[in-house]
Amino acid sequence: QVQLQESGPGLVKPSETLSLTCTVSGGSVSSGSYYWSWIRQPPGKGLEWIAYIFYTGRTSYNPSLKSRVTISLDTSKNQFSLKLSSVTAADTAMYFCARDINGGGTTAAHWGQGTLVTVSS
Amino acid sequence: DVVMTQSPLSLPVTLGQPASISCRSSQGLVHSDGNTYLNWFHQRPGQSPRRLIYKISNRDSGVPDRFSGSGSGTDFTLKISRVEAEDVGVYYCMQGTHPYTFGQGTKLEIK
Repeated sequence: QVQLQESGPGLVKPSETLSLTCTVSGGSVSSGSYYWSWIRQPPGKGLEWIAYIFYTGRTSYNPSLKSRVTISLDTSKNQFSLKLSSVTAADTAMYFCARDINGGGTTAAHWGQGTLVTVSS
Repeated sequence: DVVMTQSPLSLPVTLGQPASISCRSSQGLVHSDGNTYLNWFHQRPGQSPRRLIYKISNRDSGVPDRFSGSGSGTDFTLKISRVEAEDVGVYYCMQGTHPYTFGQGTKLEIK
């Protein structure tokens, strides 16, 4: 059974870059036609999709965040990562990594437990 | 961006009674491959979301058959035939035809 685990700093200063990693176990990030996503949820608010990366390396970004976001795969470590630059307090949120949240009928959706990132000086 | 608008935002329901959530998209959701990528998720407090429905009406594995999805074009609905205590939480629709977007969420509570 595939499992995803987010990791990274819980506190980031304004104007700095937020960096998170999702470690995948029970499956490979570089095979299987999977889409690997980052989603965030500000405290008490709804879900916002940030980006996905296909196993081939093809990416798609939320247009409202695109200028600040980079998603990448590290096949040697079986991980994928998120970088969000120039953060402000509005970027404070629970950040989830997930696989295949958009259902095509062939794979289940899997989510990590989430990691809380606070932007504060 | 495709805007997903859910209603109602709050849904008090008596146990055993039906519930219905509407989701409307600002653009059509038919993909060039012919599929309509409309998903429904359920999130309990303190937990990660769980997908219930994909491609409008297909239940994910393990999802009780009291959950059903329907719709077409820009109007979609999630129905729960008989609400149980474990159904409390927030329900989100999400389109995956364009860059993904979620609805605002509908909070279901027991009356």
